[in-house]
Amino acid sequence: GQNIDQPTEMTATEGAIVQINCTYQTSGFNGLFWYQQHAGEAPTFLSYNVLDGLEEKGRFSSFLSRSKGYSYLLLKELQMKDSASYLCAVMDSNYQLIWGAGTKLIIKP
Amino acid sequence: EADIYQTPRYLVIGTGKKITLECSQTMGHDKMYWYQQDPGMELHLIHYSYGVNSTEKGDLSSESTVSRIRTEHFPLTLESARPSHTSQYLCASGTGQEAGELFFGEGSRLTVL
Repeated sequence: GQNIDQPTEMTATEGAIVQINCTYQTSGFNGLFWYQQHAGEAPTFLSYNVLDGLEEKGRFSSFLSRSKGYSYLLLKELQMKDSASYLCAVMDSNYQLIWGAGTKLIIKP
Repeated sequence: EADIYQTPRYLVIGTGKKITLECSQTMGHDKMYWYQQDPGMELHLIHYSYGVNSTEKGDLSSESTVSRIRTEHFPLTLESARPSHTSQYLCASGTGQEAGELFFGEGSRLTVL
């Protein structure tokens, strides 16, 4: 079966750095995506990795290792508005997105 | 800013009723999706479409139907609502082969009594 694993919840301090991990087992791989979802709202796209390595976009970076079936989302200089759930999704061989359950990130002052 | 709209935002109905959740996008995207999401859980694909007159079933499709008569419109119909249908329904659209960058509507929160 296909599976995406992420921690259920993480807590971090405002101004700090946090790394959210995602491991996956899917039938084929056509890219890994990170989305942000604030409580009660729809997900919004954050990043896309299809090749190994680090993609940086402002305070957010995403890393991929295809051989290890592993990705992480790195958030720097945390702000209170970063409190949200972060969803990891993998596009499989049929170009369908397989979604993780999300990691709820709690930011404390 | 994404231009994808869902109505109604909130709906409370009784068991056995037929309901249609509307979804429209003005971005000209060929791919559209319906997802179901419960709190703290992953998104489950209900139906999807790759263009006009194209519809496919996802994992949770057995109790609902969709149509794609126009590019911009992708309604979801539950023929007979049950309490187990109580959930958040999210519509999304995207374009291109690598359509993993999806734009989501604000969702329709359905409660079936």
